[in-house]
Amino acid sequence: AQSVAQPEDQVNVAEGNPLTVKCTYSVSGNPYLFWYVQYPNRGLQFLLKYITGDNLVKGSYGFEAEFNKSQTSFHLKKPSALVSDSALYFCAVSSDTGRRALTFGSGTRLQVQP
Amino acid sequence: GAGVSQSPRYKVTKRGQDVALRCDPISGHVSLYWYRQALGQGPEFLTYFNYEAQQDKSGLPNDRFSAERPEGSISTLTIQRTEQRDSAMYRCASSSGQKPGNTDTQYFGPGTRLTVL
Repeated sequence: AQSVAQPEDQVNVAEGNPLTVKCTYSVSGNPYLFWYVQYPNRGLQFLLKYITGDNLVKGSYGFEAEFNKSQTSFHLKKPSALVSDSALYFCAVSSDTGRRALTFGSGTRLQVQP
Repeated sequence: GAGVSQSPRYKVTKRGQDVALRCDPISGHVSLYWYRQALGQGPEFLTYFNYEAQQDKSGLPNDRFSAERPEGSISTLTIQRTEQRDSAMYRCASSSGQKPGNTDTQYFGPGTRLTVL
């Protein structure tokens, strides 16, 4: 069985400071990793994904994530946070051996203070 | 272009009633997924279609839940004899089917908030 852990329910950061939202995973086979963001009353929006290749993945809105195989992590980062980044962030995993579905973490609420 | 759409956005029903939730995927997307999201949790997989074929329904919680996609486009998730524990956000996603295996990006709709009284 595959699983995702997002150890922080909420992350608080000041505008302009770097942000990190943590994600660790467990899968059989090679992992495929995704980050989604959820704004109030809207659907999940795709941010970025890691499939293979370069461990540093760049995505929408200036976000990036680093795949670390030895630590089974895929933390989401941004060099300078904006108030508009405040939202609920979900990490998800699938694999090359699992079923055709994403397994999501429980989400991390990011609060960026002005 | 148009994204994934779902209707209704909100549904309130009484226990014991049947409900049908609709998903209209991105045009041309061959793969369609249904997820259920409880409050404070991430989405959980229910079922998956490739074109009109239901490839995986292992996530459906019991036989009150069913889904169809008869023409390979719009899909309907039906819950019979609803119970209060069925209250949740039901999310639909679609993917192009052009990438191999599980590497395809899933694009989600806004969801249907179901409340069973």
